[in-house]
Amino acid sequence: DAGVIQSPRHEVTEMGQEVTLRCKPISGHDYLFWYRQTMMRGLELLIYFNNNVPIDDSGMPEDRFSAKMPNASFSTLKIQPSEPRDSAVYFCASSWVVGTGADTQYFGPGTRLTVL
Amino acid sequence: KQEVTQIPAALSVPEGENLVLNCSFTDSAIYNLQWFRQDPGKGLTSLLLIQSSQREQTSGRLNASLDKSSGRSTLYIAASQPGDSATYLCAVSGRGSNYKLTFGKGTLLTVNP
Repeated sequence: DAGVIQSPRHEVTEMGQEVTLRCKPISGHDYLFWYRQTMMRGLELLIYFNNNVPIDDSGMPEDRFSAKMPNASFSTLKIQPSEPRDSAVYFCASSWVVGTGADTQYFGPGTRLTVL
Repeated sequence: KQEVTQIPAALSVPEGENLVLNCSFTDSAIYNLQWFRQDPGKGLTSLLLIQSSQREQTSGRLNASLDKSSGRSTLYIAASQPGDSATYLCAVSGRGSNYKLTFGKGTLLTVNP
């Protein structure tokens, strides 16, 4: 398997523009996670899905952020409108199980977002 | 709310030295604790996972311990090599409906040849 795939790897946009980040999880993994990493706050969970259904979106910072998972092999994280403080690295991760004590997550390479 | 702290934030050692990275967490009701490695510009790679009922896990030159009651974990790296240079992150998972991975901010390790 190619691992978790994210696109684009780098995105530079201007304040107010819509940004869409994409993720393809590892085939067979039922859980998908979106994280954001900044120097100040470290790595934070934004939202996670189980079998394409959002389970916990309490980490989504505000209504400008939305995430969808239309099928088992694709998810998007959208920011509209974008602001400079959204600049960060966004990671997608997937896992075949959670909460068993033996689960682990596999991370994609991340998308570095810069909002000017 | 679970909080994870890693000390030190950065560490520089000469090649061959043994070293210890520290992680502490505030809520002992965890399912497991994991240590990840992050290389610059790349994602995270899981190194070791310790379930809440376990005390330690070993993989090659790496050994991770867990003391759940005191909320502490250590990652021991033996005979460090320049290729070990990376950021090491500790993460704990919540239980049941509180499942989520909470990460520390990491320790940036530099091993000098």
